[in-house]
Formats: sequence, structure tokens, C-alpha cells
Amino acid sequence: AQTVTQSQPEMSVQEAETVTLSCTYDTSESDYYLFWYKQPPSRQMILVIRQEAYKQQNATENRFSVNFQKAAKSFSLKISDSQLGDAAMYFCAYRRKTSGSRLTFGEGTQLTVNP
Amino acid sequence: DSGVTQTPKHLITATGQRVTLRCSPRSGDLSVYWYQQSLDQGLQFLIQYYNGEERAKGNILERFSAQQFPDLHSELNLSSLELGDSALYFCASSEGAGALETQYFGPGTRLLVL
Repeated sequence: AQTVTQSQPEMSVQEAETVTLSCTYDTSESDYYLFWYKQPPSRQMILVIRQEAYKQQNATENRFSVNFQKAAKSFSLKISDSQLGDAAMYFCAYRRKTSGSRLTFGEGTQLTVNP
Repeated sequence: DSGVTQTPKHLITATGQRVTLRCSPRSGDLSVYWYQQSLDQGLQFLIQYYNGEERAKGNILERFSAQQFPDLHSELNLSSLELGDSALYFCASSEGAGALETQYFGPGTRLLVL
């Protein structure tokens, strides 16, 4: 079974600084997808960024980028120029390529942004 | 706003009771997923429907059941409720059933079992 681990229950960053959230996963699959979701205090789950395992290039979405290390099964999220609105719980998630497969989530990292 | 709606937003009930949570997917989306978020179990996948048919099943208890109707809305039925069923229940939808399809989450239904 696939597992996703986020070893940092809490992180904090100063506004305008950069922060990196860690995620590791375990799978025997060679092709899969990885995601970062954000859950603000409203509890809404919002997709931040996604990565296809067969693509070597790291995904980037504006201030958000990932460092995908397939051999190490590591998928970290970097947030640049942190803003107060980035404060949220961040979940790393894994999904097999098979149609119908579910998202497997990590435990989450609570990010605080200090003004 | 993701376009996925869930009702009710909050639900308070007693142990042993039965409740129904409703989800309307985004317009055009054929897949519906149900997830449970609790303090002790984290975010867990329960079940997926695609165009009315069950496509995948996760850690869904036998006391729980779901269905997707011809108009594509979905209902999650929770029966013989226990205190441990208190959680936030999310519905998500995607256009198809492919793994790369973005799942858009609804705002969730917060269930409290007393």
C-alpha cells in the first residue's frame, strides 16, 4: 500500500521569506502523480500544484514550486515570497496512474506566516 | 468557490442515528469522490463513483453507503452512528476518472455525533 509522510507537523515563516515543506512517500509503482493541497481555516481543500512522476522537470505555479526526487521518493513544496494568505494546513497527496485510484494524503503540515 | 456543493454544512446528531450527506458535483463532472477527515485518522478516501457506477472503494465502513444518481449528484449515508464518526466529510468531483484529473473539493459537511 502507498503511504505518504509529512514529518513536519508545524512550520512557520516570516512574510516575504521562503519556506520548504517536506513530503516523502512509499510506492512500488513507477508512474504516478503527486499533489500539494492547501486547506485554509475555511476548511476548503485547494489544489496548489501537481507533478507527474514520469516528468523530470519540477512543476512550478507562480510562487509555488516543487523539488521532486523520484529515486529518494521525496516531494517537497517551496513557497517563495510568503504571504499572510499562505497560512494554512498543507497536505501532500499521492495518486496511482490507474483510473479510479484514490488520493492518499499525508498527515499535513500547519504553516504559520508571521508578519 | 470550487463549484462543488455539499449540504448540509453542519450536522449534529446522536449515536445510533442515520444521516445523509449530499453532494452536487461541478457541472460536467462525472466522477464523485467521498473523503473523511478526522483528528485521529487524517484525510481518508472512502469511495468513488463515475457516471453512476462505483469505481473504487477505500476505507469505508459497512455502516456507510453511497450512491450516485442519474443527475450525477451523490449521497453518502451513514448509519448506526458512533462517536468516532464525528468528522469533516468532503465530496470532490472531477471531469473523468483519470488519475491526473484534478479533484475539486466541496466545502465539506461537519458531522458531530453526540
